[in-house]
Amino acid sequence: GDSVTQTEGQVALSEEDFLTIHCNYSASGYPALFWYVQYPGEGPQFLFRASRDKEKGSSRGFEATYNKEATSFHLQKASVQESDSAVYYCALTLTGNYKYVFGAGTRLKVIA
Amino acid sequence: DPKIIQKPKYLVAVTGSEKILICEQYLGHNAMYWYRQSAKKPLEFMFSYSYQKLMDNQTASSRFQPQSSKKNHLDLQITALKPDDSATYFCASSQAGLGAEQFFGPGTRLTVL
Repeated sequence: GDSVTQTEGQVALSEEDFLTIHCNYSASGYPALFWYVQYPGEGPQFLFRASRDKEKGSSRGFEATYNKEATSFHLQKASVQESDSAVYYCALTLTGNYKYVFGAGTRLKVIA
Repeated sequence: DPKIIQKPKYLVAVTGSEKILICEQYLGHNAMYWYRQSAKKPLEFMFSYSYQKLMDNQTASSRFQPQSSKKNHLDLQITALKPDDSATYFCASSQAGLGAEQFFGPGTRLTVL
């Protein structure tokens, strides 16, 4: 079945550090890819999506580029802030499909 | 104003009882979903509905039954509750079938004693 793998379970950084969270996927078709962020006590919030090879999604200083060849959609941010501390989820769905597959999540802790 | 309402926010139940989790969305979406989140499985897809019809069911147990009385409602009935059902249940919605982003509600935290 379709799957999403997030390599890092937890990431700890200092403010202004560069962030990369790795996301690789396996899908039977051509998926749309997403990043979500979840703060404590809240539901996941949509960050951005990409649906074509080489398309870049971005929001709030975060960005990721759809790489079909590498089957990847890695999340990056140039300079993290303490307020970015949260859990980040990579996800996919196939157009016309009504199932979304989420990765296990990466907990980001940013120390001031 | 909240766009997706889930009620109640917290729910405590005894083993063997039945509960209904309420979800209403005011985003004009035609697809709605239920997810479960616990320490064991971070975010687990359960059901999807489109135009009030079941589209996908990834929940093995028939104790979990979605109920859609209106286009913007998708409740979740859970019967014969077990302690393992303790989790936070999230409702979500999206435009139907377009690979669109989902919007999540605040969740209902269920504890089964």
